[in-house]
Amino acid sequence: SYELTQSPSVSVSPGQTANITCFGDRLADKYTGWYQQRPGQSPVLVIYQDTKRPSGIPERFSGSNSGNTATLTISGTQAMDEAAYYCQTWDNNNVVFGGGTKLTVL
Amino acid sequence: VQLVESGGGVVQPGRSLRLSCAASGFTFSSYAMHWVRQAPGKGLEWVSTISYDGSNKFYRDSVKGRLSISRDSSKNTVYLQMNSLRGEDTAVYYCAKGVAAAGRDYFDNWGQGTLVTVSS
Repeated sequence: SYELTQSPSVSVSPGQTANITCFGDRLADKYTGWYQQRPGQSPVLVIYQDTKRPSGIPERFSGSNSGNTATLTISGTQAMDEAAYYCQTWDNNNVVFGGGTKLTVL
Repeated sequence: VQLVESGGGVVQPGRSLRLSCAASGFTFSSYAMHWVRQAPGKGLEWVSTISYDGSNKFYRDSVKGRLSISRDSSKNTVYLQMNSLRGEDTAVYYCAKGVAAAGRDYFDNWGQGTLVTVSS
């Protein structure tokens, strides 16, 4: 079965750029979404179809997908961005999530 | 858009439970719906998908034959019938609305989740 791999944790200083990566075999052949989940809350879609932002998502969130790696980039990271981030794709008719990356803003 | 799950609780292994998700604020019959779960302290795990008209249903391998998804457009509700429950089914179950892009769904709205605990 298809797998997506994420680093368990990433740390960033406020105002800096955070890059959260997601690895999968030939991932660029598929489209990827990203979800933010703050503690105790339901997930929120922040990027879909590799690069698109849903309405209401700040412009500091962006995405890319090339080769085997999809990347969520948060520019000018704020304290409120501290959360777990999950990548997601489709393999045939199955949805696949990455294991999640905990972003710490310190 | 509002999605409200219900039906969770504590259940013994091997028993059954039915989850419901009441939807409002959008044209329910036009969108695929999904169930995603999250075990305590763990990541997200997709469980099942039902197409906008109920004609197509998909499940992760570990729940095939035990869990069944359905929808009732007259009630704007999607269900997850859970039979032969196991300890590894213990999780918060989220209902999510799908938004289609390039032929695939992403989950653009989520409910608050309902906790299912399988324990003797």
